[in-house]
Amino acid sequence: DAGVIQSPRHEVTEMGQEVTLRCKPISGHDYLFWYRQTMMRGLELLIYFNNNVPIDDSGMPEDRFSAKMPNASFSTLKIQPSEPRDSAVYFCASSFAGDQPQHFGDGTRLSIL
Amino acid sequence: AQKITQTQPGMFVQEKEAVTLDCTYDTSDPSYGLFWYKQPSSGEMIFLIYQGSYDQQNATEGRYSLNFQKARKSANLVISASQLGDSAMYFCAMRVGDAGGTSYGKLTFGQGTILTVHP
Repeated sequence: DAGVIQSPRHEVTEMGQEVTLRCKPISGHDYLFWYRQTMMRGLELLIYFNNNVPIDDSGMPEDRFSAKMPNASFSTLKIQPSEPRDSAVYFCASSFAGDQPQHFGDGTRLSIL
Repeated sequence: AQKITQTQPGMFVQEKEAVTLDCTYDTSDPSYGLFWYKQPSSGEMIFLIYQGSYDQQNATEGRYSLNFQKARKSANLVISASQLGDSAMYFCAMRVGDAGGTSYGKLTFGQGTILTVHP
């Protein structure tokens, strides 16, 4: 079975540019999560969805970040405009239910110059 | 607020020996779940084992077992017969609440423990 698929795997872009990260969850999973991982702050939950509806976006750092889930098989995390401090690994994860293990994608390593 | 604490920044173990990675948690919610994840140097996050707060037995998955001590609020991961491929960062995480509650499904992660297995 295919796992969670994230694209791109790596992204290097200049400050001020728009960045879009993509995620395809595991088929049948109702929950989708976006995380950010940095050395300083560890793993932080940014936002999560249940049945395509955003449930908790309290971790989204500021208005420059936005996330959408237009259907059960696709989600995007957008940063506009990007800043060097946004450099991190961004993970998408999905789970069958809220109390089930989350399965992570391979992550997107984002570098903002 | 929920909190996960992993007090061991790094651990070393000899190949084929057992090792325990510590995790303590803090929540006032009676319904919660505890998870362990492995992150090798390649970066992916791999789910290892799960323990629910109402589970009577300690969880086991192959060489992984979870030493769940509810009164002490600890959920230590035990890896038996360590292998070189076990060298990685290990994260403990917690979910609280029941279906329908706010933030149901949300995981809080500890800072992680780096495990190094020596040949």
